Amino acid sequence: RKEVEQDPGPFNVPEGATVAFNCTYSNSASQSFFWYRQDCRKEPKLLMSVYSSGNEDGRFTAQLNRASQYISLLIRDSKLSDSATYLCAAGNSGNTPLVFGKGTRLSVIA
Amino acid sequence: EPEVTQTPSHQVTQMGQEVILRCVPISNHLYFYWYRQILGQKVEFLVSFYNNEISEKSEIFDDQFSVERPDGSNFTLKIRSTKLEDSAMYFCASSVQGLGNEQFFGPGTRLTVL
Repeated sequence: RKEVEQDPGPFNVPEGATVAFNCTYSNSASQSFFWYRQDCRKEPKLLMSVYSSGNEDGRFTAQLNRASQYISLLIRDSKLSDSATYLCAAGNSGNTPLVFGKGTRLSVIA
Repeated sequence: EPEVTQTPSHQVTQMGQEVILRCVPISNHLYFYWYRQILGQKVEFLVSFYNNEISEKSEIFDDQFSVERPDGSNFTLKIRSTKLEDSAMYFCASSVQGLGNEQFFGPGTRLTVL
């Protein structure tokens, strides 16, 4: 069974804090990995793809550890607007279905 | 920026009725997907569609479900006889062929079955 597991949180952090989320995947054949952001009752919005070499986009850094089958997301200098649920997703290569985790809820407080 | 659109935003129906959910994928995308999310649960894959046929489907996607691309722009999900447990958000997504599988989601249709 292909599963993606995340700590559901919630993570309550003050503005300016650094917060990290981890996600594990069970399917060793997974080749593509993503972090999505989902606001309450909205659609998942692609935040970033996760590459083998890791990648950074402004305050967001994603890492992939294939040996341990986990991916991580680091958010630096948290803003109030970062409050959302962060979904981890994994898929095989090519245009295949994504398997989502249940998401980790982040609340950034003033 | 191009985006996936979906209609209606909210559909209320009686159990046993048929519903059709509509999606317009991003125009140069070739792969289309339907996912659903029951309130408080994870996003679950239903079906993927490419080149006018289903490429994969999950165990959720039983005989009550069907998909169609009736013209060059719309992509529809039909539920033939809705059940209470079909109540969920239904998201359409699309992706460009071969580019790392980045899927872009529409705003969803909230289906409520009474």
